[in-house]
Amino acid sequence: DQQVKQNSPSLSVQEGRISILNCDYTNSMFDYFLWYKKYPAEGPTFLISISSIKDKNEDGRFTVFLNKSAKHLSLHIVPSQPGDSAVYFCAASAGRGSTLGRLYFGRGTQLTVWP
Amino acid sequence: DVKVTQSSRYLVKRTGEKVFLECVQDMDHENMFWYRQDPGLGLRLIYFSYDVKMKEKGDIPEGYSVSREKKERFSLILESASTNQTSMYLCASPPRRGTDTQYFGPGTRLTVL
Repeated sequence: DQQVKQNSPSLSVQEGRISILNCDYTNSMFDYFLWYKKYPAEGPTFLISISSIKDKNEDGRFTVFLNKSAKHLSLHIVPSQPGDSAVYFCAASAGRGSTLGRLYFGRGTQLTVWP
Repeated sequence: DVKVTQSSRYLVKRTGEKVFLECVQDMDHENMFWYRQDPGLGLRLIYFSYDVKMKEKGDIPEGYSVSREKKERFSLILESASTNQTSMYLCASPPRRGTDTQYFGPGTRLTVL
């Protein structure tokens, strides 16, 4: 059963507007969360992460919000640009030593930013 | 700059062939991971290794095996390739100790005919 879920397979946003990508998880042992971006025919690239001791982490146009009580996180991209069009994967880990650093991935959300 | 490299970007093989996919990391890290990515299914973990000669099954190990003879190299083996193994294969490794963040290689697009 999927422990990390991205329920929206696709999202379409106009350039300049905010993109909000959502992710839910079921395992309460998860304490570290990541977002990756993937272009076709390339490997995923790390975008931003957040530890469970925080509820927000910001890096330029990208902000990740974590709501532990709801087991929900979201990635905000402001402003969205056409080059942001890619598949975004949410991932989680349960901490070092317990699962040897393995990540659990969602199925991804295809973001399309149109001019 | 940290680097994960994969031996081939594109491969075409025939059903029944034995296929080797190689991954090399220069980060001197123990952990290495093999995933496959299919549209709508996300990244699924096949096998991972936390040290030389050590391996653990991921979520979909059937039809695959792995080899880790040296720390920097982790090989994925398809003993007898089948058409349902046509996929994008991705290798990953953390950039340093103390982090669960994984850096990915460029991927190998394998087509089995």
